Amino acid sequence: AQSVTQLDSHVSVSEGTPVLLRCNYSSSYSPSLFWYVQHPNKGLQLLLKYTSAATLVKGINGFEAEFKKSETSFHLTKPSAHMSDAAEYFCVVGGGTDKLIFGTGTRLQVFP
Amino acid sequence: DTGVSQDPRHKITKRGQNVTFRCDPISEHNRLYWYRQTLGQGPEFLTYFQNEAQLEKSRLLSDRFSAERPKGSFSTLEIQRTEQGDSAMYLCASSLAILGETDTQYFGPGTRLTVL
Repeated sequence: AQSVTQLDSHVSVSEGTPVLLRCNYSSSYSPSLFWYVQHPNKGLQLLLKYTSAATLVKGINGFEAEFKKSETSFHLTKPSAHMSDAAEYFCVVGGGTDKLIFGTGTRLQVFP
Repeated sequence: DTGVSQDPRHKITKRGQNVTFRCDPISEHNRLYWYRQTLGQGPEFLTYFQNEAQLEKSRLLSDRFSAERPKGSFSTLEIQRTEQGDSAMYLCASSLAILGETDTQYFGPGTRLTVL
């Protein structure tokens, strides 16, 4: 069975400082992993997707994530936070039959 | 706009009433998914279709819930005899099936259901 654990329910950063959102996964086979972002009153938007082509995945808006099999991790990073990055972020694993299994989310706050 | 659309965006109903939601996927996508998201949680899978065929249903989908995709295009999700516990955001997503990897799913804005 597949699952993801988002290690922080809330992360607060100052504008211009780095962002780190942590995610560990569990999968019985080589997983497909995603990060989605959800802004208030807006739909889920795909940030990036890992499908084993490269361990470092670059996404939209300057975000990237690194797949580390030895650590079963897929942490999301951004070098410099912007006020518009404030949102809920979900780490997601492909569930074998193509359904997605979401983590519980990390709320990112960005302070000026 | 050629993204996934959902209608209505908001629905308020009284307990015991039936409600129906509609999802229009991205036109060339052959798969359509329904998820439910409650406050403070990530979305949970309910069911999905490949073309007209409903291929998987979650145990979350009680017998009061039914979903259809009659012509392989739009889909409807009906909840009969609504209960307060059905209050949630209902999300629809669509994808183009790619052999050998998990599809990238594109989500609609959701329908927020409030059961009084």
